[in-house]
Amino acid sequence: NAGVTQTPKFQVLKTGQSMTLQCAQDMNHNSMYWYRQDPGMGLRLIYYSASEGTTDKGEVPNGYNVSRLNKREFSLRLESAAPSQTSVYFCASSRQGGYTFGSGTRLTVV
Amino acid sequence: AQKITQTQPGMFVQEKEAVTLDCTYDTSDQSYGLFWYKQPSSGEMIFLIYQGSYDEQNATEGRYSLNFQKARKSANLVISASQLGDSAMYFCAMRESYTGANSKLTFGKGITLSVRP
Repeated sequence: NAGVTQTPKFQVLKTGQSMTLQCAQDMNHNSMYWYRQDPGMGLRLIYYSASEGTTDKGEVPNGYNVSRLNKREFSLRLESAAPSQTSVYFCASSRQGGYTFGSGTRLTVV
Repeated sequence: AQKITQTQPGMFVQEKEAVTLDCTYDTSDQSYGLFWYKQPSSGEMIFLIYQGSYDEQNATEGRYSLNFQKARKSANLVISASQLGDSAMYFCAMRESYTGANSKLTFGKGITLSVRP
């Protein structure tokens, strides 16, 4: 069982570059989420998708866009990366209260 | 707005002893769920235990138990018989609705636990 798969696991970007973080789940979950984790800050919600075709902003959405491509996939895009977006990004999915997290993407913006 | 507070900066416990990790929360909802996750140095998020706001008994999962005091809005994690592998970051989190349908988690800042041999 793959669960929630995130790609890539590591990425270094230059300031101003763009990239898309991919997330896919194979558990038929309705809801998907993107979090970022910074030292001393816990996990903060960037965007979420309650169901296919819907997306909503979380606590820290600035500088990001998302796409719920289908029920399985939820991508996070950085259009113009900034050093402040250096973080570990987690994708998660849920159905009826149980949450499954991906293994994370460590992104460094230089 | 929801808020999860974890104020202990870091905790140390001797192997085989019990330890309590504190979590307080703030919500105006009557229906909510509380979670604890473990994050070892490898980085993955591991689900430990869940407590629903309407659950009458404190949740237990093996060596983990949740001391749920609804009136005080606290949901402390108790780890019994600590093991070296328990050394990790621990996060308390809250979900908006009891049933969990389409609800996002709000996390605390986490507590680092170190188990001494």
